[in-house]
Amino acid sequence: GAVVSQHPSRVICKSGTSVKIECRSLDFQATTMFWYRQFPKQSLMLMATSNEGSKATYEQGVEKDKFLINHASLTLSTLTVTSAHPEDSSFYICSPRGGSTDTQYFGPGTRLTVL
Amino acid sequence: EDQVTQSPEALRLQEGESSSLNCSYTVSGLRGLFWYRQDPGKGPEFLFTLYSAGEEKEKERLKATLTKKESFLHITAPKPEDSATYLCAVQESGNTPLVFGKGTRLSVIA
Repeated sequence: GAVVSQHPSRVICKSGTSVKIECRSLDFQATTMFWYRQFPKQSLMLMATSNEGSKATYEQGVEKDKFLINHASLTLSTLTVTSAHPEDSSFYICSPRGGSTDTQYFGPGTRLTVL
Repeated sequence: EDQVTQSPEALRLQEGESSSLNCSYTVSGLRGLFWYRQDPGKGPEFLFTLYSAGEEKEKERLKATLTKKESFLHITAPKPEDSATYLCAVQESGNTPLVFGKGTRLSVIA
């Protein structure tokens, strides 16, 4: 399967700080990147969709000024949680799409804890 | 109304006790139905994609089937290492994102 990496795997920060999460598609070009978050014992909820070189499209209820997505290259996308608050604590997972396969792979996830 | 509904929410099996997980969906045009396995603290691991009614795919002790309204993930003679949350997701036409069900938490007891 495709190799997708996320960094960091785990981060703890203070309320009010910003956190950047990187997602790399290591063996195919990701023309589209999906960002999901998952709260404990719940399923994955789509936050936003971005196409390389374009602005991201956010799902209803997701603040675009709070969750900044950059998809400047076909192998790297970043999600920045600005002015993080405890309610932003969650498991953030990226999912790149591209290449010749229809299979949808996911990154290993980033556990964010905001104190 | 949820587009993807999985049942049961949780399932506890004895080792070797075969069973099935259900995923029912309500989308107008199905492009693909996906099954994933997710272990605690990890991202979803791809298992299968099914595209049309009647299609079946197998991998080790798992077999996925698809009808026009639902998919089943059959687990034959499960082992404790099969314990995980199994997620079902659907994709409608075009470059649309996957929509996930809430998952089934499977526990296989030795």
